[in-house]
Amino acid sequence: AQKITQTQPGMFVQEKEAVTLDCTYDTSDPSYGLFWYKQPSSGEMIFLIYQGSYDQQNATEGRYSLNFQKARKSANLVISASQLGDSAMYFCAMREGRPLNRDDKIIFGKGTRLHILP
Amino acid sequence: EAGVVQSPRYKIIEKKQPVAFWCNPISGHNTLYWYLQNLGQGPELLIRYENEEAVDDSQLPKDRFSAERLKGVDSTLKIQPAELGDSAVYLCASSLGGYTGELFFGEGSRLTVL
Repeated sequence: AQKITQTQPGMFVQEKEAVTLDCTYDTSDPSYGLFWYKQPSSGEMIFLIYQGSYDQQNATEGRYSLNFQKARKSANLVISASQLGDSAMYFCAMREGRPLNRDDKIIFGKGTRLHILP
Repeated sequence: EAGVVQSPRYKIIEKKQPVAFWCNPISGHNTLYWYLQNLGQGPELLIRYENEEAVDDSQLPKDRFSAERLKGVDSTLKIQPAELGDSAVYLCASSLGGYTGELFFGEGSRLTVL
């Protein structure tokens, strides 16, 4: 079974509109972390935002926010006021297991390719 | 602060040839990862080091892949012999560890096996 599911292989969004990228996860660990990364065509993975499973509030970083719905095991990324430079692949990732131990794993989804239209 | 450095950026070899990739993590990052990324897919973990110890190499195809992290700093990933299906991007990442320790990635090494 997929640990991280990103159901949108590709999305087209008009510039300046908000966009939501979906991510659902599967874990039985009570403690885990969720990440979003951006990968432009240049190839480098860029960290965007982090949400801990015990965090009470949704994480925000500038134009990025994470809509964390724990009961639904959902961690959607919201980008407000999209820009042409937001065109890239976006990956959701989950960290589970005890940090620094053998069962500490970070697993990535298959990604969503976002295209921002002028 | 210097980021994660990988080399070479690009490598083209013929099948059955050996190849090696090098990674220098961010200073002070004890955790180092090697990921494999196929075109249009997410990264898949090959091996994770805590200092010089390989604590998770369960996904590393040990018949042809090997890795080392001497002295707990730089790391080398080797493939011998390479097969056509090994064509991919090999990403190195490092982190401070812990739940909030995000991964910092290098630019990757793109391998093409002919």
